[in-house]
Amino acid sequence: QVVLTQSPSASASLGASVKLTCTLSSGHSSYDIAWHQQQPEKGPRYLMKLNSDGSHTKGDGISDRFSGSSSGPERYLTISSLQSEDEADYYCQTWGTGIVFGVGTKLTVL
Amino acid sequence: EVKLLESGGGLVQPGGSLRLSCAASGFTFSSYAMTWVRQAPGRGLEWVSTISGSGGSTYYADSVKGRFTISRDNSKNMLYLQMNSLRPEDAAVYYCAKILIRGVVISALDYWGQGTLVTVSS
Repeated sequence: QVVLTQSPSASASLGASVKLTCTLSSGHSSYDIAWHQQQPEKGPRYLMKLNSDGSHTKGDGISDRFSGSSSGPERYLTISSLQSEDEADYYCQTWGTGIVFGVGTKLTVL
Repeated sequence: EVKLLESGGGLVQPGGSLRLSCAASGFTFSSYAMTWVRQAPGRGLEWVSTISGSGGSTYYADSVKGRFTISRDNSKNMLYLQMNSLRPEDAAVYYCAKILIRGVVISALDYWGQGTLVTVSS
């Protein structure tokens, strides 16, 4: 079964950019993923589906500040011009015989 | 506008049962697979179960297989999760979510409900 690896935490300054990473386990580098945002005390929100070739399909109303890219087994979420409301947990998700989530990255905006 | 609204959570004793519901609107419900995901307090997201648009195919995480049953009523745009033999480790917020791609059973999740809290305690 595929495993997704995420760093548990990240931080960046207000107005800066940050790049979060989700790594697919060995043998699964061609998998597509999705990124989800979960703000404090809220349900998750779909950000985008990110394909292995780096193309992505964003959810309704998702800001242009959010973008995705891919390189081998790495899937990235870049957030530019960080705002306070971007402080949240970010989960990557993939699928095979079932659905798999990474442990999530808690982003702190300084 | 897609909306998903869960209900049915509450306090139940270990070994007890609970049925969660999810009311869907804003899309052609029968054309899309649906999923339940849970989140224990302070923990990450955990996939629970997925059902195809027709209801003919179901999938479960090993942690709930044999105890939980996912179903749907396409005439009512409703998704359900019957939870039996509940354990303290089943305590979580349960979210229903829609699969992104029409006709595909397992894929990205593109809409989420607000969740319903299940507490398992004596």
